Amino acid sequence: AQTVTQSQPEMSVQEAETVTLSCTYDTSESDYYLFWYKQPPSRQMILVIRQEAYKQQNATENRFSVNFQKAAKSFSLKISDSQLGDAAMYFCAYRSYSNSGYALNFGKGTSLLVTP
Amino acid sequence: DSGVTQTPKHLITATGQRVTLRCSPRSGDLSVYWYQQSLDQGLQFLIQYYNGEERAKGNILERFSAQQFPDLHSELNLSSLELGDSALYFCASSVSAGFPGANVLTFGAGSRLTVL
Repeated sequence: AQTVTQSQPEMSVQEAETVTLSCTYDTSESDYYLFWYKQPPSRQMILVIRQEAYKQQNATENRFSVNFQKAAKSFSLKISDSQLGDAAMYFCAYRSYSNSGYALNFGKGTSLLVTP
Repeated sequence: DSGVTQTPKHLITATGQRVTLRCSPRSGDLSVYWYQQSLDQGLQFLIQYYNGEERAKGNILERFSAQQFPDLHSELNLSSLELGDSALYFCASSVSAGFPGANVLTFGAGSRLTVL
């Protein structure tokens, strides 16, 4: 089974600054999808951004962008111009392209604190 | 509102009891996934259904079972409850069982189960 590792249990950033959350994964597959989900205090899981492994271009969604390094099996999330509303738990997730289940495998999460 | 509806939002019960959690997927979504989120185990995939049929199983205990009905809503049954079953249970839905497409999972707000 594919494993997803988030090595930073907690991160802190000042408002308007930039922060990068790390994620690495282990897989023998060549095609797959990677996701970042956000879980604010409301507990709702919200999709932030996704990346197809066959695409070389890094995905971008407004202030959120990823640095996808396929060879290194690394998928970091960069949040620019951080806002108070960005404070949440962030989960990196892997989805198999060929696995019959297609379920998401999640990392343990990184708690992001945003300070004024 | 994500479009995925989970009931109840909160549930408190005693050890040894049985409970049923309900999930209505987003309109048009045929696939339903159940996840368990606990403090020590993170987000664990339990089971997936697609159009009424079981598609994949994760770390689901034998005391747990699920089904998806013809109207596509799903129920997760938890029996002989133990203290360790206390967790947040998420339902997610997607358009199809897998690929083509990223088939993003849309999550419900979760059902918080407390076993005393």
